[in-house]
Amino acid sequence: RKEVEQDPGPFNVPEGATVAFNCTYSNSASQSFFWYRQDCRKEPKLLMSVYSSGNEDGRFTAQLNRASQYISLLIRDSKLSDSATYLCVVNIMDSSYKLIFGSGTRLLVRP
Amino acid sequence: DVKVTQSSRYLVKRTGEKVFLECVQDMDHENMFWYRQDPGLGLRLIYFSYDVKMKEKGDIPEGYSVSREKKERFSLILESASTNQTSMYLCASSTTTSPQYFGPGTRLLVL
Repeated sequence: RKEVEQDPGPFNVPEGATVAFNCTYSNSASQSFFWYRQDCRKEPKLLMSVYSSGNEDGRFTAQLNRASQYISLLIRDSKLSDSATYLCVVNIMDSSYKLIFGSGTRLLVRP
Repeated sequence: DVKVTQSSRYLVKRTGEKVFLECVQDMDHENMFWYRQDPGLGLRLIYFSYDVKMKEKGDIPEGYSVSREKKERFSLILESASTNQTSMYLCASSTTTSPQYFGPGTRLLVL
């Protein structure tokens, strides 16, 4: 089983749609969780950290469910510029600074 | 803003050549990382360093070495490049508690 699993997609949605991605992780001792965004042929960039109580940044909402070991990302009112690959990231149990990256979920927002 | 720079955006080398990839960060981060990213395989950790002159193997260190003589600089060395090392190479840096911040990547083609 992969340490971090994501549906690769692609999710193909119209502008204005709400879309949600889920991610599961295998290590119950993981403490830090992030969503990164990666545009085609570019480097991953931090989108947002994920906190236990859930957190929101504009149109983006991240949730963490420790009991079920999954993380979600909700994007409301999708824009064309949201088209990218979204990487789910968790830390490794024995190191607070080593991260495991999921393979990513691809989002395509169409006009 | 965190700035991570990589010495080359694109590199073409021949099989057997020694290849140096350099990464510099300007945020006084303790930790630096080298990943490679291949289609369908996601980000894979090659080596990381948590302090000057310290290094630890990641998941795929074979065929690579690293050097960290100064805090801001982390070099990846391919001792004898092979065609299966054709990939996108990404450098990242972080503190012990922060997310990782990536450089723009180096696309290496080994002929």
